[in-house]
Amino acid sequence: QVQLVQSGAEVKKPGASVKVSCKASGYTFTSYGISWVRQAPGQGLEWMGWISAYNGDTNYAQKLQGRVTMTTDTSTSTAYMELRSLRSDDTAVYYCANVAAAGRFDYWGQGTLVTVSS
Amino acid sequence: QSVLTQPPSASGTPGQRVTISCSGSSSNIGSNTVNWYQQLPGMAPKLLIYSNNQRPSGVPDRFSGSKSGTSASLAISGLQSEDEADYYCAAWDDSLNGVVFGGGTKLTVL
Repeated sequence: QVQLVQSGAEVKKPGASVKVSCKASGYTFTSYGISWVRQAPGQGLEWMGWISAYNGDTNYAQKLQGRVTMTTDTSTSTAYMELRSLRSDDTAVYYCANVAAAGRFDYWGQGTLVTVSS
Repeated sequence: QSVLTQPPSASGTPGQRVTISCSGSSSNIGSNTVNWYQQLPGMAPKLLIYSNNQRPSGVPDRFSGSKSGTSASLAISGLQSEDEADYYCAAWDDSLNGVVFGGGTKLTVL
């Protein structure tokens, strides 16, 4: 069965960086892209971007351009999302999801809470 | 505010049929397919409807989706207490070159 298992919760100070991992299993990793979606406390879902697990192509949400980097390691079927220059409004649960088509996320990770606080 | 517009809340009694709307524009719903997600309290979202009206394996046929022009709808018939959740619509946006979500609708089963 398809599983996406994310790394554990993080607490960071403003200005720091965070890197969240997402290990995939149960399918051919390079056959699907990975998107990252975040959800601030009590808020809705926000798409952060996408990476092709096949060739590493990326597409980031405009508001995060310059602060976010998505990568993959095909040898371990793991995707990574790094967010830099953290601010308090980056506090959120971060999800990875595999991408079957634009806007269609078939499977989701369990989520990683990132708290940004001084 | 979200690019796609959903009502913040909806409610119904067990057995009833409820619909949740999702309004967009020509750059998103008007030219791309709509997907719906269900998020139970404290859980990750789950794909409920894809390509406007297709159900993934395992999703009951009580859930159905439709699209017309720049709007889409999710219908839930035979409402059950376990349907109490947040529901989100999503679509690709050609102008933003990214995925946009609705603000979410909290469904309460009375």
